Amino acid sequence: EAQVTQNPRYLITVTGKKLTVTCSQNMNHEYMSWYRQDPGLGLRQIYYSMNVEVTDKGDVPEGYKVSRKEKRNFPLILESPSPNQTSLYFCASSKQDSPLHFGNGTRLTVT
Amino acid sequence: GENVEQHPSTLSVQEGDSAVIKCTYSDSASNYFPWYKQELGKRPQLIIDIRSNVGEKKDQRIAVTLNKTAKHFSLHITETQPEDSAVYFCAARNTGTASKLTFGTGTRLQVTL
Repeated sequence: EAQVTQNPRYLITVTGKKLTVTCSQNMNHEYMSWYRQDPGLGLRQIYYSMNVEVTDKGDVPEGYKVSRKEKRNFPLILESPSPNQTSLYFCASSKQDSPLHFGNGTRLTVT
Repeated sequence: GENVEQHPSTLSVQEGDSAVIKCTYSDSASNYFPWYKQELGKRPQLIIDIRSNVGEKKDQRIAVTLNKTAKHFSLHITETQPEDSAVYFCAARNTGTASKLTFGTGTRLQVTL
């Protein structure tokens, strides 16, 4: 089944404790991206990747890192999480000029 | 960069009525406009999209119109049903910047019986 898989689905952590949210797609898509969703603000892009080893900042990249060492994986790294990064995170992928496919989301709480 | 504005933020209609959600975009180079539906606790899912070489597209009860000159596009849902209740997002992209899809802030649609 074609899908974008994110893990974990829920995560509660404390300020400053490094964490990684994994994202994997099995559709051989070139493009992958991370969004955060906050009430009233919609979906805002954090980082995106056009292919292996090619990444670029989205609209809200501060406090996040990504890597694209393999085509199927695009992890999101929070080196030192803070409470303002409490949010719902979505990974998405697509082929060029095709609709985005979203993962099921990761709800992160930073206390 | 691109900026997408979406209105209204909430919309309540009676079952069987029509619903219209409107979006405007700022970048005249944008040429791809998808609409996503997000049910409570779930991921956004594409329901319809339109490209800039087309003015209107329809899929059963859902239609999207695009006015390139005015830089706005709209989602029309006819004969609404309770299962249409969800948050709807519009988005815009310049396919020359492939992954840069900019979303509106969403419309919460409630269909009442």
